[in-house]
Amino acid sequence: EDKVVQSPLSLVVHEGDTVTLNCSYEVTNFRSLLWYKQEKKAPTFLFMLTSSGIEKKSGRLSSILDKKELFSILNITATQTGDSAVYLCAVRVINTGTASKLTFGTGTRLQVTL
Amino acid sequence: DVKVTQSSRYLVKRTGEKVFLECVQDMDHENMFWYRQDPGLGLRLIYFSYDVKMKEKGDIPEGYSVSREKKERFSLILESASTNQTSMYLCASKSGGSLGTQYFGPGTRLLVL
Repeated sequence: EDKVVQSPLSLVVHEGDTVTLNCSYEVTNFRSLLWYKQEKKAPTFLFMLTSSGIEKKSGRLSSILDKKELFSILNITATQTGDSAVYLCAVRVINTGTASKLTFGTGTRLQVTL
Repeated sequence: DVKVTQSSRYLVKRTGEKVFLECVQDMDHENMFWYRQDPGLGLRLIYFSYDVKMKEKGDIPEGYSVSREKKERFSLILESASTNQTSMYLCASKSGGSLGTQYFGPGTRLLVL
């Protein structure tokens, strides 16, 4: 059974701190790993990672994948209150002959306080 | 901009009722997905569809069925709603191919009494 595990489950930091969110996975037919940010509504896409060791960066957020050790991290530097959200990690696997599907972790709830 | 819309934001139904949740996307995407999201369990895939009239079971299909009669529309059906189907339901769509991002709708919060 495909499994995606995120840690920590919940995190409270002060504005300006740097945080690292973890995602480990055990899946067959790995294709890519995706990070989403979910505030009150639907998840919004952050990054997609397919290759090991290549850092993806968007402003204060960055992410990297290690396909040998089967994990990814999401870093947020100089956190702001607007970063408060649930961060979801998902792994895409390929089902032969059909659409690929995503398996999600349970998410990390980040709260940034003043 | 990709737009995925869901027919209702909030829905209250009684046990045993038949429930239809509708999802529409405007980007001509081949693939569409239905998830439910519950605290502590994350997002779980119910069903997905990779083309019109084609569907495949996800991780938790029991108690649900789907319909994809037109490319832009993917419906989730609860034949006889039960209280354990109270949840947030999220629809997503994605273009064909193994890469590409899933775009999510705003979600429907369903309460079954």
